[in-house]
Amino acid sequence: AQSVTQLGSHVSVSEGALVLLRCNYSSSVPPYLFWYVQYPNQGLQLLLKYTTGATLVKGINGFEAEFKKSETSFHLTKPSAHMSDAAEYFCAVSLGGGKLIFGQGTELSVKP
Amino acid sequence: DTEVTQTPKHLVMGMTNKKSLKCEQHMGHRAMYWYKQKAKKPPELMFVYSYEKLSINESVPSRFSPECPNSSLLNLHLHALQPEDSALYLCASSQEGGLDGETQYFGPGTRLLVL
Repeated sequence: AQSVTQLGSHVSVSEGALVLLRCNYSSSVPPYLFWYVQYPNQGLQLLLKYTTGATLVKGINGFEAEFKKSETSFHLTKPSAHMSDAAEYFCAVSLGGGKLIFGQGTELSVKP
Repeated sequence: DTEVTQTPKHLVMGMTNKKSLKCEQHMGHRAMYWYKQKAKKPPELMFVYSYEKLSINESVPSRFSPECPNSSLLNLHLHALQPEDSALYLCASSQEGGLDGETQYFGPGTRLLVL
């Protein structure tokens, strides 16, 4: 069965520091992987997604993620954190038929 | 325009009330979804409509009744809810009929409180 695990329910960084949010997946077939962001009291917004092809995926707001099959990982990074990046981040895998399975989420805090 | 709209933004209802949540998209998407999200938890899929037909029901209690009147509109009818049903209800849509790997676009949600 496909699943995703996000390591760290809460990550805190200083403004301008590197952001690294971890996601590992479990899948018997090449997965479709997503990162979504959720700001307080809002819906989910797609940051980026991996389908096939290039393993380094660039998304919105300066975020990118690298698909590493050997490590079954799809970690999200941003070189320099901004205060506006504070939010909940969800990694998700597509199960087909419209089903998305989300990780438990990582809350990112950004300190001034 | 990748916008999914939901009304109302907030809803307070008693356990004997009947209310409805509404979701609308004008992107020509053929799949629409209802999710339930409790605080500090990921969204949980409730229903999927593909080409206006219910394709997935994730064993949701019958007090939740979905309806898809047309390809742009999705309703969730609520009746005799319990306090534990209080949550953020998210609607989403995707372009095709729920194909593997499709991007789902989410609305802002309706925050429901059941007293």
